[in-house]
Amino acid sequence: EPEVTQTPSHQVTQMGQEVILRCVPISNHLYFYWYRQILGQKVEFLVSFYNNEISEKSEIFDDQFSVERPDGSNFTLKIRSTKLEDSAMYFCASTESENSYNEQFFGPGTRLTVL
Amino acid sequence: AQTVTQSQPEMSVQEAETVTLSCTYDTSESDYYLFWYKQPPSRQMILVIRQEAYKQQNATENRFSVNFQKAAKSFSLKISDSQLGDAAMYFCAYRISQGGSEKLVFGKGTKLTVNP
Repeated sequence: EPEVTQTPSHQVTQMGQEVILRCVPISNHLYFYWYRQILGQKVEFLVSFYNNEISEKSEIFDDQFSVERPDGSNFTLKIRSTKLEDSAMYFCASTESENSYNEQFFGPGTRLTVL
Repeated sequence: AQTVTQSQPEMSVQEAETVTLSCTYDTSESDYYLFWYKQPPSRQMILVIRQEAYKQQNATENRFSVNFQKAAKSFSLKISDSQLGDAAMYFCAYRISQGGSEKLVFGKGTKLTVNP
C-alpha cells in the first residue's frame, strides 16, 4: 500500500543552523501539508501546498520557514535559522484532492532536536 | 477559532473489553468533518474513522464506532473487543467542509493502553 515517507527520522542541529526536512508524498496526491507536534502538545498545522504554491499557512509559519516541491516526488520543509522552540516532531501529509472528506495520509514524522 | 479538546490524556482497557475515548470541539460552522486518527508507537498516524457533520447516523468501522452529538459538539470513539494492537495514541481532529480551510485541527491526544 502506498505511504508517505519522511527523512531523516531524527535530526539534531545547533541553534541558528538551517535544516531541511524531506517528504515523499503518495505519488498521485496533489495536496501536501506540514504539521508539527511539540512534545506533550497538540499536532498543529503549519502549511498547505498545492500547484507549486502555498495555499494556506498558520501564524507559526513565519519567514524562517519555507516549503518547496523541487521535483515530481519530494516535498521539503526548510527552517532557515533554527531556534530552540523549533524542537518538535514534524509530520508531512498528502491527499488526493481538496475534498475535505478525503483522508490526509501522514508520514512517520521527523523528530527535530535543536541544541 | 475552532478547537478540539480531548480530556483524557491516558486511558487503559482490558483486552476484549470496550473503551470510549472522549472528544469535544468548538466551532461556529454547521458543515464540517470529524476524524479519529490512531498513532501506534513510532509509526505514522492512520485514519480510524470519520464523520460528516450533516449525517445524523453515527459512523462505524468494524470494532470502531463513534457517538456524534452535534448539539453538544461531542465526538467520542468507542472501541469494542479491544485488542493489543489497538494500543496507541488516538487523536481527534476537525476539518471545515469544502471551500474553507484545508487544515486539520487536532486535539492533544489520548494514550490508550490495552492490558492482556
